Amino acid sequence: DAKTTQPPSMDCAEGRAANLPCNHSTISGNEYVYWYRQIHSQGPQYIIHGLKNNETNEMASLIITEDRKSSTLILPHATLRDTAVYYCIATSNTGKLIFGQGTTLQVKP
Amino acid sequence: KAGVTQTPRYLIKTRGQQVTLSCSPISGHRSVSWYQQTPGQGLQFLFEYFSETQRNKGNFPGRFSGRQFSNSRSEMNVSTLELGDSALYLCASKVDNTEAFFGQGTRLTVV
Repeated sequence: DAKTTQPPSMDCAEGRAANLPCNHSTISGNEYVYWYRQIHSQGPQYIIHGLKNNETNEMASLIITEDRKSSTLILPHATLRDTAVYYCIATSNTGKLIFGQGTTLQVKP
Repeated sequence: KAGVTQTPRYLIKTRGQQVTLSCSPISGHRSVSWYQQTPGQGLQFLFEYFSETQRNKGNFPGRFSGRQFSNSRSEMNVSTLELGDSALYLCASKVDNTEAFFGQGTRLTVV
């Protein structure tokens, strides 16, 4: 699975959009980009995933660059409950997820 | 629909003992994976079982083992516990080629 690189921390004002970047420059053609988040040592929660097209669900949007070397997770209206560690993972959909250090997002009132 | 259930939620063991943790996947999910989370190493993959067979394995010593039953429930065992095995152990289940769903974990403390 390709290595991913994320900033260690970010702040966002409540109600504003949170844009979390991820670099995966060595991603291969069959690898998907997955995003999970973990709130205060609970189990990680699935957010969204994509292969090459942009994706949107009720939680977030995922923008993948055309060359697939990077992506951005967008939380359109961040709330205090979105404060968490966000993990970007590139995987070929096996049962093995390689977690990096993730980005700690702090949403501030 | 019930989520991934891990038991027990908390456990305290003594060095040298062994421990067995249990994971009941979401109904219909045949893949079960285990992860260890510590403050120093983060979330690390232990192993994955699919249809009772180990399909993937992480870089952990042989003291860490697992199995999966015909109903997809899985157990992991750690023998000869060390202080460094204190961690949050997470289980995830999935249908192949889809997202994984995690349980709330078992917090193991070795004293």
